Amino acid sequence: DAKTTQPPSMDCAEGRAANLPCNHSTISGNEYVYWYRQIHSQGPQYIIHGLKNNETNEMASLIITEDRKSSTLILPHATLRDTAVYYCIVTGGYQKVTFGIGTKLQVIP
Amino acid sequence: DTEVTQTPKHLVMGMTNKKSLKCEQHMGHRAMYWYKQKAKKPPELMFVYSYEKLSINESVPSRFSPECPNSSLLNLHLHALQPEDSALYLCASSQETIGISYEQYFGPGTRLTVT
Repeated sequence: DAKTTQPPSMDCAEGRAANLPCNHSTISGNEYVYWYRQIHSQGPQYIIHGLKNNETNEMASLIITEDRKSSTLILPHATLRDTAVYYCIVTGGYQKVTFGIGTKLQVIP
Repeated sequence: DTEVTQTPKHLVMGMTNKKSLKCEQHMGHRAMYWYKQKAKKPPELMFVYSYEKLSINESVPSRFSPECPNSSLLNLHLHALQPEDSALYLCASSQETIGISYEQYFGPGTRLTVT
């Protein structure tokens, strides 16, 4: 799996959009970008994934650059419940998933 | 139902004890996973089962013994653990098709303390 790089921590004001970046410059053509988050002491939660097109669901939007070397997870209106560690993972069509250190997002009232 | 359940929520065991962690899902997923997570670290993959067969063992010590008795259940048998094995043990499941990646659904974890 390609390696990912994320900032270790970010702050976001409640109600504002949270934009979490991820670099994956060694991503290969068949690898997807996945985002999970882990709220303190809970199991990780799947958020969204994409291959090359931008994706949106009820939780978030995923913007992938045209060269696929980076992506941004957007939480459109952050709430205090979005405070968590966010993991960006790149993986192909097999089961092995490697979590990096992630970004600790703190939503501030 | 997108829930993965794990029992027990907390477990304290001595180094000579034998205990088991249990995981269950009813989403029809044919891949199931065990992860270990130490404090302030990301989850680390331990084992993967695909169609009830062990497909990945990440060089885990033999004091951890996984078992998949059927497509809905996954166990992790623990024996002669060390204090450094204290961690949050997470179970996950996903769909399984060769060549296609799927999102994983995680349980809440079992917090294990080895004394």
